[in-house]
Amino acid sequence: NAGVTQTPKFQVLKTGQSMTLQCAQDMNHEYMSWYRQDPGMGLRLIHYSVGAGITDQGEVPNGYNVSRSTTEDFPLRLLSAAPSQTSVYFCASNNAGQLNTGELFFGEGSRLTVL
Amino acid sequence: GQQLNQSPQSMFIQEGEDVSMNCTSSSIFNTWLWYKQDPGEGPVLLIALYKAGELTSNGRLTAQFGITRKDSFLNISASIPSDVGIYFCAGQVHTGKLIFGQGTTLQVKP
Repeated sequence: NAGVTQTPKFQVLKTGQSMTLQCAQDMNHEYMSWYRQDPGMGLRLIHYSVGAGITDQGEVPNGYNVSRSTTEDFPLRLLSAAPSQTSVYFCASNNAGQLNTGELFFGEGSRLTVL
Repeated sequence: GQQLNQSPQSMFIQEGEDVSMNCTSSSIFNTWLWYKQDPGEGPVLLIALYKAGELTSNGRLTAQFGITRKDSFLNISASIPSDVGIYFCAGQVHTGKLIFGQGTTLQVKP
């Protein structure tokens, strides 16, 4: 199993550009989520999904869209990038049946810079 | 919203020393978790705590779930250079979402 795979690992955007961060997991996990990590702020939840076709907002959803058309994939879209979205983004997943264990499996992260 | 206050923000210690970090919240959590993040990697679960008052060990790591369900601590004994990284506490709400603390950056001097 590859686990949670994120692409790209690095990306530089200009203000106003759009892009999609890809996330795929091969563990048949029902729960998937996106976090952003900023210095001194920890990991903040952007959006999450408890299953295909279902998404919900986290703590900092503004400026981001998500969709969950399949169990495996959970892309994060930036429609009009802003410098405040410069961050490291992590995708994480968990099997809903084991959801109360709290163990999220994280990808390696995607470092985004918006100029 | 729910917030976790993690301290200290950073620590620089000598190899062999013990380390202690903690998390507090104004909210009650059903589960407390501690994660470690190595440079360039995603966080990895170290210890999960499910009951108020629970004390759990994992090798040189010991963590406790506070009686009030609003706090937790993590101790690392006899630190070694590979303990370097960022440690995060996280609280799980009933919906299964995790709320993370700000992180404690640990540096160990050989």
